[in-house]
Amino acid sequence: KQEVTQIPAALSVPEGENLVLNCSFTDSAIYNLQWFRQDPGKGLTSLLLIQSSQREQTSGRLNASLDKSSGRSTLYIAASQPGDSATYLCASAGANNLFFGTGTRLTVIP
Amino acid sequence: SQTIHQWPATLVQPVGSPLSLECTVEGTSNPNLYWYRQAAGRGLQLLFYSVGIGQISSEVPQNLSASRPQDRQFILSSKKLLLSDSGFYLCAWSWGGNQPQHFGDGTRLSIL
Repeated sequence: KQEVTQIPAALSVPEGENLVLNCSFTDSAIYNLQWFRQDPGKGLTSLLLIQSSQREQTSGRLNASLDKSSGRSTLYIAASQPGDSATYLCASAGANNLFFGTGTRLTVIP
Repeated sequence: SQTIHQWPATLVQPVGSPLSLECTVEGTSNPNLYWYRQAAGRGLQLLFYSVGIGQISSEVPQNLSASRPQDRQFILSSKKLLLSDSGFYLCAWSWGGNQPQHFGDGTRLSIL
């Protein structure tokens, strides 16, 4: 069964810093890798999806990479802002399932 | 554009009572539909998914059931709630297994 791990569990950075969130998965036979944002008490907002044949995806200040052979993905956030404070979840996709990590809770300090 | 609605947003129920959570999707047809649970301190876990009306797949044995009476309606039910059913329940839709999943705002269920 796929296991997804996210490190660190929590991260605090001052505003303006660039940061990297890490995600690792045990089974490299994935359809895609997705990154989500979750605000407290809310649902998930899809940020980026990397297909298994791709190496990275970019959207604005966000860049996600995928290395299937090593079972790793990273989410890079440039020039962090207080509004980026949230929990970030990665999920690896099987045929009809998403396997989620437990998330990294990010706090950007003004 | 597509939207997904879940209700209620919060629910407090006694042990042994029944449950019905509803999820509807607008702006698309024949979506894949999913129910997830997020327990405190744990990751999201897929409970059920559906690729069409009346087609339900269960991922984990549990006290819950799901139904899809209409194309864009997905219902999560229980006849008798347990304390362990507490959690944050999320509904999602997608256009297929390799497409992004889009989530509702969730229902926070507390069992007393």
